[in-house]
Amino acid sequence: EPEVTQTPSHQVTQMGQEVILRCVPISNHLYFYWYRQILGQKVEFLVSFYNNEISEKSEIFDDQFSVERPDGSNFTLKIRSTKLEDSAMYFCASSDAGGGEAFFGQGTRLTVV
Amino acid sequence: AQSVTQLDSQVPVFEEAPVELRCNYSSSVSVYLFWYVQYPNQGLQLLLKYLSGSTLVESINGFEAEFNKSQTSFHLRKPSVHISDTAEYFCAVSEDSSASKIIFGSGTRLSIRP
Repeated sequence: EPEVTQTPSHQVTQMGQEVILRCVPISNHLYFYWYRQILGQKVEFLVSFYNNEISEKSEIFDDQFSVERPDGSNFTLKIRSTKLEDSAMYFCASSDAGGGEAFFGQGTRLTVV
Repeated sequence: AQSVTQLDSQVPVFEEAPVELRCNYSSSVSVYLFWYVQYPNQGLQLLLKYLSGSTLVESINGFEAEFNKSQTSFHLRKPSVHISDTAEYFCAVSEDSSASKIIFGSGTRLSIRP
């Protein structure tokens, strides 16, 4: 069964450093998403991406964040200068039709120290 | 804009007892509805979904949910729970339109007592 894969599963970084979280969406999907879940809290929408551009972003997704689809398979989330409050689980998702079912990866746990 | 309310943050039940996890949504347009499950230290898995058609939808492991448009609800039920059902359950909604994001509720932690 096709699945969304995310790497790394866990990343520890120092405050102020840049991190790149990687995702390989399901191959025939066209819509891509990033979500985050701070420990013990709800899953929050960050950004959606379609046709090589951001289609929607939340207020959380400020100038420190960026997304990119550098080739035909990867979808990345970059945090330019990490803060302690960026510590969270980050989930990538993809879907073949916007608004329908989205398939989620296993997540990357980011710990900022 | 859509929103999802899960009134119960935690639901403890005994094994083999029935359970209902409540979910209400708010939206000005047609919606799709989902329940996702997150087992301890794992990612999000789709449990079941309502896109159109029959308002009662079922999962392969015995859960069911019913879309009630008049009450804007999508409650999740199971007639008899198992220890393995211990997890966090998230109700979610998206608009019936292209590129629409999924919005999650705050989650309900289901804990099963033997």
